[in-house]
Amino acid sequence: DTEVTQTPKHLVMGMTNKKSLKCEQHMGHRAMYWYKQKAKKPPELMFVYSYEKLSINESVPSRFSPECPNSSLLNLHLHALQPEDSALYLCASSQEGGSGYEQYFGPGTRLTVT
Amino acid sequence: GQNIDQPTEMTATEGAIVQINCTYQTSGFNGLFWYQQHAGEAPTFLSYNVLDGLEEKGRFSSFLSRSKGYSYLLLKELQMKDSASYLCAVRNAGNNRKLIWGLGTSLAVNP
Repeated sequence: DTEVTQTPKHLVMGMTNKKSLKCEQHMGHRAMYWYKQKAKKPPELMFVYSYEKLSINESVPSRFSPECPNSSLLNLHLHALQPEDSALYLCASSQEGGSGYEQYFGPGTRLTVT
Repeated sequence: GQNIDQPTEMTATEGAIVQINCTYQTSGFNGLFWYQQHAGEAPTFLSYNVLDGLEEKGRFSSFLSRSKGYSYLLLKELQMKDSASYLCAVRNAGNNRKLIWGLGTSLAVNP
């Protein structure tokens, strides 16, 4: 099983809403990532978890709050977002402990903030 | 600074061969990845190079020259489904988990 799943596929939310994005993998990977991607741009790293601990936060605004409940799950809690936060949010996972481990991406959540 | 350069767009014909170049200037180097991304979909892993030379995987090959800060992705026997964006990404020596991404090359394969 080399699949990373994400829910929901699409999400429309108002600026006052609270919502969560979910990501799951069953490959035994111990590194999990959140990326944001705008059209015709490369993925932009937001957060990295290693062994369920937050290891990288790329100075992401606090309206984005990550959570890693266990080694298979990764959540991104959203609150008071802005229209410019509309983007494709990608989750990825990889093995940990070496340098040659590719990241496997989920299909993404297309987020629209109105 | 850290910089990865790729051509913005390329066009090729079905059945042909195309080479997509990537040059990088980074403060460290610990491997280079190529990803394919179809419009509206997630990136999928194509290849990884950490030592100089050519890695071949079916119709796709990737080459690396660390001394020149240069890589290319070679696609043979092009198919229409190869129309996609191709992203070059470098893993920095200082941080194994973070990739520095190029802006991607949009490849259009015409019949």
